[in-house]
Amino acid sequence: EAEVAQSPRYKITEKSQAVAFWCDPISGHATLYWYRQILGQGPELLVQFQDESVVDDSQLPKDRFSAERLKGVDSTLKIQPAELGDSAMYLCASSLSGLSSYEQYFGPGTRLTVT
Amino acid sequence: QQPVQSPQAVILREGEDAVINCSSSKALYSVHWYRQKHGEAPVFLMILLKGGEQKGHEKISASFNEKKQQSSLYLTASQLSYSGTYFCGTASSGTYKYIFGTGTRLKVLA
Repeated sequence: EAEVAQSPRYKITEKSQAVAFWCDPISGHATLYWYRQILGQGPELLVQFQDESVVDDSQLPKDRFSAERLKGVDSTLKIQPAELGDSAMYLCASSLSGLSSYEQYFGPGTRLTVT
Repeated sequence: QQPVQSPQAVILREGEDAVINCSSSKALYSVHWYRQKHGEAPVFLMILLKGGEQKGHEKISASFNEKKQQSSLYLTASQLSYSGTYFCGTASSGTYKYIFGTGTRLKVLA
């Protein structure tokens, strides 16, 4: 069964350092989502891609976060510089289409700890 | 703007039933339901599109009342494996902006 791949699974970094997360969606899925989830809360959408284009990045802290999906396949989310409040689980998900008619498949996530 | 789920938490004995509600302040196009176990990613359960349909998945079913902007998830004859946190994910009509609900923690005891 096809799965969404993410790496690394765990990342510990010091504040003010740069950190990057990678996501490879299920083959054929045009839509890719990056979420941030703080323990005990629901996932918060950071950015949504349709192929290589950004559809929604209204909740992305653009002063320190950036995301790209250059060829419309895999994607990278970067934080520079990291802050203590960025400690969270970062989830990537993909779906066939972004019209919210299709289920989202989530990857295992990257647990980020900023010290 | 975040959909509100109720109850916040519920404890059941195996075999008991439960209902989880999701209420939005915005007109909805679709509602998704997910279950997330501790330390794991959310797992998709079902999707409901506007039209007031009801869907079922094994002993788990859901309804979507478009007019009330509400959805309910029904868990019947609960099993230990049902334990986890349940989230609704909603897409608003027109914008299709996707937001997860506040979550409901469910624990099934033997």
